Amino acid sequence: GAVVSQHPSWVICKSGTSVKIECRSLDFQATTMFWYRQFPKQSLMLMATSNEGSKATYEQGVEKDKFLINHASLTLSTLTVTSAHPEDSSFYICSASASGRREQYFGPGTRLTVT
Amino acid sequence: DQQVKQNSPSLSVQEGRISILNCDYTNSMFDYFLWYKKYPAEGPTFLISISSIKDKNEDGRFTVFLNKSAKHLSLHIVPSQPGDSAVYFCAASASTDSWGKFQFGAGTQVVVTP
Repeated sequence: GAVVSQHPSWVICKSGTSVKIECRSLDFQATTMFWYRQFPKQSLMLMATSNEGSKATYEQGVEKDKFLINHASLTLSTLTVTSAHPEDSSFYICSASASGRREQYFGPGTRLTVT
Repeated sequence: DQQVKQNSPSLSVQEGRISILNCDYTNSMFDYFLWYKKYPAEGPTFLISISSIKDKNEDGRFTVFLNKSAKHLSLHIVPSQPGDSAVYFCAASASTDSWGKFQFGAGTQVVVTP
């Protein structure tokens, strides 16, 4: 149980284009989903928290107009990196937690490379 | 401001022996802690959790100890196996904070040698 998937697992895009990453909870309803970014040899940096049907809450320093998050259903959240630049290249990971539970279950991550 | 610290970036342990990973935190409001294991280019895998009402939680080969007065927790893995070679993250959250929001440590790379 508690499986979270992400799609795509890796993506290469050109500078200036937008990329959408999907995060799905496969066997539970995720009332809250989280988006993280991980730089090489560093910890996970929380970007934003999204609750189903609500606007996402972004961490300080994260541009909400650049990283669009939609949590339209209890099993799906999407992160869209708009007008991507090479410095957006990173490993993006989502996680999900069920109602009343504090444990987060992570997706496998998406490697984004912007050329 | 790093509220969760894993001061050992790496740990090497012999197969069959005990691995002890340490984690310190500064925020006294933290009341729930998690340990995750992560392989390269994969998402973290949940291992074990502990609430501040307990000082120990055990699940198979994994035991987490919490010392609230010292603001310290540790993860014991015994016996260590080659498949345990990974990066281990501790994470902490406060029930007074946004639900489910965790602060992560920087991770400890564990290498289990034959």
